[in-house]
Amino acid sequence: DVKVTQSSRYLVKRTGEKVFLECVQDMDHENMFWYRQDPGLGLRLIYFSYDVKMKEKGDIPEGYSVSREKKERFSLILESASTNQTSMYLCASSSETQYFGPGTRLLVL
Amino acid sequence: AQSVTQPDIHITVSEGASLELRCNYSYGATPYLFWYVQSPGQGLQLLLKYFSGDTLVQGIKGFEAEFKRSQSSFNLRKPSVHWSDAAEYFCAVGGYSGGGADGLTFGKGTHLIIQP
Repeated sequence: DVKVTQSSRYLVKRTGEKVFLECVQDMDHENMFWYRQDPGLGLRLIYFSYDVKMKEKGDIPEGYSVSREKKERFSLILESASTNQTSMYLCASSSETQYFGPGTRLLVL
Repeated sequence: AQSVTQPDIHITVSEGASLELRCNYSYGATPYLFWYVQSPGQGLQLLLKYFSGDTLVQGIKGFEAEFKRSQSSFNLRKPSVHWSDAAEYFCAVGGYSGGGADGLTFGKGTHLIIQP
């Protein structure tokens, strides 16, 4: 079975803090993705990566950056967290079909 | 631009009754279509997918979906729902590699409530 793990299930941070969300997959997938999920809005793509050190902007990249130094690991970075970044963050990896991690629920106070 | 519409925000079904969740998509090329399910506080689990071939696809947990190109629809069905089917359901569309390389576009979801 494909396994996608995220470093934290719940996270509380203060406005202005730098936040790192980590995602690891064990299926040697080329592609990895970060989405955020908000009630009534569904999932929206933030960034994705199709290879190590490569990244592409999704639909809502503002306020976020990413890092992919190893194939199995894809990090989402909030350079200066703001309250409007309070959300559920979902990581996925794929060859063709996307498989999702359990999500990180981030609260920014 | 691609888009997915799930017209029903909430659906309530009695346990044992049949279920149909609607999904309409807009996509400029051959679509790759997916249904995912999300239980409270959990990530998304793949129910089924359509890439090509038979337009009626079978998935896990007794679900099936039918791709109708003429109607740009990919509706999800189950003949008899169980209380454990209560969850949020998402339809998604992707590109040439099934969204594998370029991300998926999701609908806003349908919240399924099961009445005893």
